[in-house]
Amino acid sequence: EAEVAQSPRYKITEKSQAVAFWCDPISGHATLYWYRQILGQGPELLVQFQDESVVDDSQLPKDRFSAERLKGVDSTLKIQPAELGDSAMYLCASRRGTGGNGELFFGEGSRLTVL
Amino acid sequence: GQQLNQSPQSMFIQEGEDVSMNCTSSSIFNTWLWYKQEPGEGPVLLIALYKAGELTSNGRLTAQFGITRKDSFLNISASIPSDVGIYFCAGWDNFNKFYFGSGTKLNVKP
Repeated sequence: EAEVAQSPRYKITEKSQAVAFWCDPISGHATLYWYRQILGQGPELLVQFQDESVVDDSQLPKDRFSAERLKGVDSTLKIQPAELGDSAMYLCASRRGTGGNGELFFGEGSRLTVL
Repeated sequence: GQQLNQSPQSMFIQEGEDVSMNCTSSSIFNTWLWYKQEPGEGPVLLIALYKAGELTSNGRLTAQFGITRKDSFLNISASIPSDVGIYFCAGWDNFNKFYFGSGTKLNVKP
């Protein structure tokens, strides 16, 4: 069964360091999302891509976070510099299209701990 | 932004009992999704609902899309220990966005 691939699964870093997460969506899925999930809460959207274009990055802290999906397939989310408050699970999800009746599939997530 | 109210926040039940949880919104959604998340893992899609009034089953799980399109329900029958986890609802609006509830944490005592 096709899956959303994410790496690394776990990342421990010191504050002020740079961190990068990678995501490969399900083949053929045009829409890709990055979410941040704090323990005990639901996922919160950071950025949404349609193919290679950013559709929504209104909640992305752009002073330190960046995201790209250069060829409209896999994507990278970067944090520089990392802060203590960035410790969270970073989830990538993908969806086939933009219209209704689309199911959203998540990867296993990347757990970030900032010391 | 829109808020999804998911209840209960947590449940402690005995193995074999049935479970019900729900999600409500102040706005209309076109799609409701239900997920299960286990510690350290990403959410796994359980059931997708696309039409008001729709009732869909997946094994012991049954979910319904509320008639008003502002709510959805998930039922688990005859719970077993492996049902333990956090269950999230998600709603899809008319503007290409998903909104998530804060989750229902299910504990099942053998």
